[in-house]
Amino acid sequence: QVQLVEAGGGVVQPGTSLRLSCTISGFTFSRYPMHWVRQAPGKGLEWVTVISFDGFNTYYADSAKGRFTISRDNSKNTLYLQMNSLKTEDTAVYYCARDISARLLPQGYFDLWGRGTLVTVSS
Amino acid sequence: QSALTQPRSVSGSPGQSVTISCPGTSSDIGDYVSWYQQRPGKAPELMIYDVSKRPSGVPDRFSGSKSANTASLTISGLQAEDEADYYCCLYAGSSEWVFGGGTKLTVL
Repeated sequence: QVQLVEAGGGVVQPGTSLRLSCTISGFTFSRYPMHWVRQAPGKGLEWVTVISFDGFNTYYADSAKGRFTISRDNSKNTLYLQMNSLKTEDTAVYYCARDISARLLPQGYFDLWGRGTLVTVSS
Repeated sequence: QSALTQPRSVSGSPGQSVTISCPGTSSDIGDYVSWYQQRPGKAPELMIYDVSKRPSGVPDRFSGSKSANTASLTISGLQAEDEADYYCCLYAGSSEWVFGGGTKLTVL
């Protein structure tokens, strides 16, 4: 059974850090680029970052550059998002999502999603 | 990248067709267009990719197209279960992507 399960969300104060994880099962994780997509309460989807299947290449939205770091451990079937210097506007549900393209450049088609983990940044 | 401007809402009666538009930011929207359905409290689901391709399991009532700088999602034979939010997503260049602001579909 294919599963993407996010964890690590919670309530944190502005300026602090948080690390999210996404544990994968049911497909060969090491073959696929992976993304993080977020959704602020009552708002639309926002693409955040992507990592290549081998972890060598990463790209970020302007809102994440310099503060967020995506990484993966293919031996543990786990994707990570390290978020530093958090701001109130980072409050959102964070989804991990699989890119449709196996062992290719990411195409930005998110064909599998987790249920998300809520991050609340508030003083 | 700012969110793409989708209509905030569309509506239709069961059996009718509705079209949701997604204007790009350049003269050519490109070929990397996808659409997602999101029901309340659920994760999004991929409905269309590569402008007009449907993943396995998506009903053929859902179709995608593009014209110059606008992509469109058409849902034919509306059903109550189609009521959801719909998001387009475009390639913004430099390995970055941008979503539309979302369109709420109401089935009357």
